[in-house]
Amino acid sequence: EAGVAQSPRYKIIEKRQSVAFWCNPISGHATLYWYQQILGQGPKLLIQFQNNGVVDDSQLPKDRFSAERLKGVDSTLKIQPAKLEDSAVYLCASSSLDSLDNQPQHFGDGTRLSIL
Amino acid sequence: KQEVTQIPAALSVPEGENLVLNCSFTDSAIYNLQWFRQDPGKGLTSLLLIQSSQREQTSGRLNASLDKSSGRSTLYIAASQPGDSATYLCAVRKGYTPLVFGKGTRLSVIA
Repeated sequence: EAGVAQSPRYKIIEKRQSVAFWCNPISGHATLYWYQQILGQGPKLLIQFQNNGVVDDSQLPKDRFSAERLKGVDSTLKIQPAKLEDSAVYLCASSSLDSLDNQPQHFGDGTRLSIL
Repeated sequence: KQEVTQIPAALSVPEGENLVLNCSFTDSAIYNLQWFRQDPGKGLTSLLLIQSSQREQTSGRLNASLDKSSGRSTLYIAASQPGDSATYLCAVRKGYTPLVFGKGTRLSVIA
């Protein structure tokens, strides 16, 4: 089975510019997650989708970050405008169903974002 | 607020050694605990998932234990190999809440 696909792998932008990341989850996975992983830290959840609806976006900085999951399949995460502290790896993950059925999350390789 | 701590932060061992990685969490009312592996420049790979009602899970040379009452989990790696070199992350989940991750233990296995 194909894994979680993310693009681009790397992105370098200047502060105050905008950037977008794309994620395609494993086929059939209803739940999609975006995480931010700062160097030396564990991942932190930004937003969780169940199909095309938002389940949890409590830790998403909504003044600059936005995400959508059209048609309940692939998803995009956008930052506008970017700040220096947004430098991190952005990981996308998916799981079959978020119904406390103990299904593990499957992660993509991430997008490494550097803000100059 | 749930906090997850992993000790040690880094570990270097010779090939063939058995080793233990530690994870502790402050809120024992968890639903499950997962151990992940992360290679440099890569995403996370789920290694083992332990439900709150379980005491341990095994996969090959890996064994993870869970003591929910004391807020601790250990990941035991038998007969370590250079290919085991990676960062190992522990994460806990409480109901319909996000996974809370530790900062990880960076393991180097020297040939």
